[in-house]
Amino acid sequence: NAGVMQNPRHLVRRRGQEARLRCSPMKGHSHVYWYRQLPEEGLKFMVYLQKENIIDESGMPKERFSAEFPKEGPSILRIQQVVRGDSAAYFCASSRQLAGNTDTQYFGPGTRLTVL
Amino acid sequence: DAKTTQPPSMDCAEGRAANLPCNHSTISGNEYVYWYRQIHSQGPQYIIHGLKNNETNEMASLIITEDRKSSTLILPHATLRDTAVYYCIVKETSGSRLTFGEGTQLTVNP
Repeated sequence: NAGVMQNPRHLVRRRGQEARLRCSPMKGHSHVYWYRQLPEEGLKFMVYLQKENIIDESGMPKERFSAEFPKEGPSILRIQQVVRGDSAAYFCASSRQLAGNTDTQYFGPGTRLTVL
Repeated sequence: DAKTTQPPSMDCAEGRAANLPCNHSTISGNEYVYWYRQIHSQGPQYIIHGLKNNETNEMASLIITEDRKSSTLILPHATLRDTAVYYCIVKETSGSRLTFGEGTQLTVNP
């Protein structure tokens, strides 16, 4: 059973370019979460999505960042007009939420974004 | 979500048990205790979680005090590959986010 997959694993962009990060959840999981880890800092929640719905985007910067999880295909985290401060590791997690129970999130290997 | 407090670092000898403490004195009745670890800069790895009973799986044991204000993660026979940052997280049943603190840097020494 394949785990959470993220690609690319490493992404280099110049200031002003767009970055697209992809996340394929584990089989049977319909909930996706994105977290960011800045250099030498802890992981911070960004956004929580279910298929075709954004449930909680309270951790996502208001500008330049967007996320989607379409009916078909992977979840996408999109960063427009990247700046050096966007350089970080971006982790995706997925879960299979069970009614009346807690949901365990399983993480992917991350995408390391470097902005030159 | 309730806040957790962990020691910033711990050392353990290879082959010995590693006991990692966590305080969560403001935990509420519907909040679970989760443990994750992050080896170097890899993605966080789920270890174990519990509500009020002690739990054990192939990786570790979780001991939660009766008042649920603290817990201990036990790695019964630590290996060098267990060197990582260990995060204790309190999460609501229906909550979405995991709130990561500073964690405990566990170093397993040969």
